[in-house]
Amino acid sequence: AQSVTQPDIHITVSEGASLELRCNYSYGATPYLFWYVQSPGQGLQLLLKYFSGDTLVQGIKGFEAEFKRSQSSFNLRKPSVHWSDAAEYFCAVLLTGGGNKLTFGTGTQLKVEL
Amino acid sequence: DAGVTQSPTHLIKTRGQHVTLRCSPISGHKSVSWYQQVLGQGPQFIFQYYEKEERGRGNFPDRFSARQFPNYSSELNVNALLLGDSALYLCASSLVGTANEKLFFGSGTQLSVL
Repeated sequence: AQSVTQPDIHITVSEGASLELRCNYSYGATPYLFWYVQSPGQGLQLLLKYFSGDTLVQGIKGFEAEFKRSQSSFNLRKPSVHWSDAAEYFCAVLLTGGGNKLTFGTGTQLKVEL
Repeated sequence: DAGVTQSPTHLIKTRGQHVTLRCSPISGHKSVSWYQQVLGQGPQFIFQYYEKEERGRGNFPDRFSARQFPNYSSELNVNALLLGDSALYLCASSLVGTANEKLFFGSGTQLSVL
């Protein structure tokens, strides 16, 4: 079964520093991968997605992610973090069987120090 | 334009009771999905509906049921509530529910079971 693992529960970075959030997937074929962000009291917002093609995917808010099949990874990056980026970040993979059903990782809570 | 709206925003129930959660998709969206997010975990897929038909069901007991109405709004029903049902319940909508579509999430209903 498809699954994603986010090894880091909490990450703290200084404002202006670079960021990398890790995501590893388990799936035999090429997965459809996503990164979502959730701010307190808010629903999930899609940052970016990978279906096929270029393995470096650009998203909103200056985020990017790179699909690496050899490492079964889809890490999220941002060159310079802003205080408003503090939130919880979820990696997700599309479930097989049709439709747009997702399975999510357990999330990484990002804290930004000023 | 209004996003995905969910009601109520917060709900407190006692064990054994029944609860109904409601979701209105974005105008023009015909697919609705439900997710359960337990504190400290990622969202877990419960149901997907399209044109009033169930398109998928996650690994949840039969106490959980849902339906979609002709106006594409949806209800999630949970019978015989358990303490473990305490969670944030998220609704998401998309145009027709295919794999390459973006999911739009509501802010959720926070259910507490005492």
